[in-house]
Amino acid sequence: AQRVTQPEKLLSVFKGAPVELKCNYSYSGSPELFWYVQYSRQRLQLLLRHISRESIKGFTADLNKGETSFHLKKPFAQEEDSAMYYCALGSNYKLTFGKGTLLTVNP
Amino acid sequence: DTAVSQTPKYLVTQMGNDKSIKCEQNLGHDTMYWYKQDSKKFLKIMFSYNNKELIINETVPNRFSPKSPDKAHLNLHINSLELGDSAVYFCASNQVGSGNTIYFGEGSWLTVV
Repeated sequence: AQRVTQPEKLLSVFKGAPVELKCNYSYSGSPELFWYVQYSRQRLQLLLRHISRESIKGFTADLNKGETSFHLKKPFAQEEDSAMYYCALGSNYKLTFGKGTLLTVNP
Repeated sequence: DTAVSQTPKYLVTQMGNDKSIKCEQNLGHDTMYWYKQDSKKFLKIMFSYNNKELIINETVPNRFSPKSPDKAHLNLHINSLELGDSAVYFCASNQVGSGNTIYFGEGSWLTVV
């Protein structure tokens, strides 16, 4: 069975501070991992996927198979980063989400 | 231009009614999904369809009946609505394969009163 754990339900930082949203996964196969972001009352949007190893809006995430983690990081948080962030694990025909972390960036 | 579109965006209805939410994608994807986001913002898959065939049904009550007339459409019909059905329902699609992104619709806010 596949499982995604986001241990922090809420995370509050000040503008300019570093931010790390934690994600751990459990999956017997080779994982495909994603971060999705949901701004207030909007659709989920893809932020990152591990396979492309890119940086979007200053966010990066590295897959660590040894620790089964895919933490999302940004060195300097901005107020517009305030949103709900979901880590997700993909397999054929299914994307399993963590419970989400609500990030609030204070001025 | 909208990739995954769903209607209606907002729906308020009484308990016991039957309602439908429609979804269409113009991305040429072969797989479509329905996800439910509850009041605690938890996202859970309900159904997935591949080329009009049901692939996943995650123990959803049989009051919920998805229908896929073709691979670009996946509608969700709900019978005998209950208060607990109040949620945001997201349609999504992708082309199954390594690293393929799932694209979501804007969501349908269902409130059962």
